[in-house]
Amino acid sequence: AQKITQTQPGMFVQEKEAVTLDCTYDTSDQSYGLFWYKQPSSGEMIFLIYQGSYDEQNATEGRYSLNFQKARKSANLVISASQLGDSAMYFCAMREGLFDYGQNFVFGPGTRLSVLP
Amino acid sequence: DAGVIQSPRHEVTEMGQEVTLRCKPISGHDYLFWYRQTMMRGLELLIYFNNNVPIDDSGMPEDRFSAKMPNASFSTLKIQPSEPRDSAVYFCASRITGNTGELFFGEGSRLTVL
Repeated sequence: AQKITQTQPGMFVQEKEAVTLDCTYDTSDQSYGLFWYKQPSSGEMIFLIYQGSYDEQNATEGRYSLNFQKARKSANLVISASQLGDSAMYFCAMREGLFDYGQNFVFGPGTRLSVLP
Repeated sequence: DAGVIQSPRHEVTEMGQEVTLRCKPISGHDYLFWYRQTMMRGLELLIYFNNNVPIDDSGMPEDRFSAKMPNASFSTLKIQPSEPRDSAVYFCASRITGNTGELFFGEGSRLTVL
């Protein structure tokens, strides 16, 4: 069974607007971590933001925030004030187990975001 | 600080040839991962090491693939013999015990097997 679902293969957003990239996950573990990575056209994988399953507050990192809804098993990435440089593939990932008790990162299929001028 | 360093960035080879991909993790990181990325299968974990010891190689596709980590600052992924279906981008990533666990990726090695 697919553990990470990203239902939006492609998204468009106008520059300076906010955009939400969807991610749902499937796990029976109580302890897990959720990650978002950005992959620009140059190919490198850039870590953006992390949310632990026990974190009560949504994670934020600059213009990135993670809308974590544990009961719905969703971990949507919100990018505020989109910039042209945000155009890239975005991957949601999950690691079952926290800290050093789990190493199996599972990545979703990705969402390609295009920011329009 | 230097990030994860991979070489070569691009490799074009003919079917049947041996391919060796190299990785230098971030200094002090004690976990090292090898991933493969293709359009069809996305990002797949091949193998990971902890303190230079292979922990889980269940993602290695077949015996043609092998990985070693002779010391804390160097790892190799070898494909012998290579086949066209091995064409992919191979990523090395590392992390350190005790933090939130994010992986730090290298820039990848794009392999094309003709």
